[in-house]
Amino acid sequence: GIQVEQSPPDLILQEGANSTLRCNFSDSVNNLQWFHQNPWGQLINLFYIPSGTKQNGRLSATTVATERYSLLYISSSQTTDSGVYFCAVEPDSGTYKYIFGTGTRLKVLA
Amino acid sequence: EAGVAQSPRYKIIEKRQSVAFWCNPISGHATLYWYQQILGQGPKLLIQFQNNGVVDDSQLPKDRFSAERLKGVDSTLKIQPAKLEDSAVYLCASSPRDTAYGYTFGSGTRLTVV
Repeated sequence: GIQVEQSPPDLILQEGANSTLRCNFSDSVNNLQWFHQNPWGQLINLFYIPSGTKQNGRLSATTVATERYSLLYISSSQTTDSGVYFCAVEPDSGTYKYIFGTGTRLKVLA
Repeated sequence: EAGVAQSPRYKIIEKRQSVAFWCNPISGHATLYWYQQILGQGPKLLIQFQNNGVVDDSQLPKDRFSAERLKGVDSTLKIQPAKLEDSAVYLCASSPRDTAYGYTFGSGTRLTVV
């Protein structure tokens, strides 16, 4: 089956710093999501981004489907950005099931 | 719009006991998913329902896990008998029919097997 690897596994930032999280996938995908799991365990969708670039406030994401990777950029990080970031891919069109990556654990220090 | 509801929030049981989790998806969402998230890992899909039919249960350990979605709304996931390695957070998610968009997760049930 498809493999989804994320890097780095852990990241510690000072408040106000910028960061880039990476997601590599081993096969072509139909769709890709980025999620944030907050310290209480709630998973929140950030982006649906099978290709191209999207921005939402301080967050932006880029997926280069032909090269099988996606990047999540966090600018001017805040303590509320702490948690785990997952990318999840839909390997096959029409299945609507997502395979999650290994996650990047982010801690932002005040 | 109400979110995906799950209960209980926490559960502690002894190994070999049975346990059940409940999920109520967002109103109108035809597709429902159960995921298992072991500490330090990403969620793993256990079972996917479309209305009250099973679409994919290839990762469900059927010797001890069962799930149903009566009337295409609420769903229950059962473990019988539980093992120590079943300790995890069990997440329910739902999405509208025939689309991968609108994927919404519940808060999860944290199971500890001792």
